[in-house]
Amino acid sequence: EAGVAQSPRYKIIEKRQSVAFWCNPISGHATLYWYQQILGQGPKLLIQFQNNGVVDDSQLPKDRFSAERLKGVDSTLKIQPAKLEDSAVYLCASSLFWGQYTEAFFGQGTRLTVV
Amino acid sequence: AQKITQTQPGMFVQEKEAVTLDCTYDTSDPSYGLFWYKQPSSGEMIFLIYQGSYDQQNATEGRYSLNFQKARKSANLVISASQLGDSAMYFCAMRGVTGNQFYFGTGTSLTVIP
Repeated sequence: EAGVAQSPRYKIIEKRQSVAFWCNPISGHATLYWYQQILGQGPKLLIQFQNNGVVDDSQLPKDRFSAERLKGVDSTLKIQPAKLEDSAVYLCASSLFWGQYTEAFFGQGTRLTVV
Repeated sequence: AQKITQTQPGMFVQEKEAVTLDCTYDTSDPSYGLFWYKQPSSGEMIFLIYQGSYDQQNATEGRYSLNFQKARKSANLVISASQLGDSAMYFCAMRGVTGNQFYFGTGTSLTVIP
């Protein structure tokens, strides 16, 4: 079974530029998450999808971040314009079921550096 | 609100010895799941073990076991017979019925010494 795929693995951009990340979850997984992990910290939820609907985007900086999940499968996360404090690893995860007893599987992440 | 606390920023263990990584949590949810993930330097979060709040027995997965003490709100990870490949960051996480997201602690960096 293929895991969660993310691209690119690394990205370096200048502040005020835009960037997009792509995620392909495990086949059949209805729940998809985007997490931001700043160096030395635990992952923090940005947005959660159930199929192609947004369940929780309360911690997404909506003035600069946007995300979509077309057809309930692949997802993209965009930052426009980027700030220095957006430098982090962006992790995509998927989970088969909605419920507290199911683990999530993570991709390898995209390491973003904003200079 | 859910909160996960990991109080050990770094731990060292001798190869082949056992090590315990601490995790305490706080939640008002009546049921929840507790998870441990390993994050090597490559960056991927690897699922290790899961414990449900209503499970009577502690979870075990190979060399990993979870010491679950519900009354104390703790879910410590025990790694037996440590190997050099166990060197990584370890994150404790919780998923409740409210919101359904995973809440993570700040992690513990484990170094296995040959």
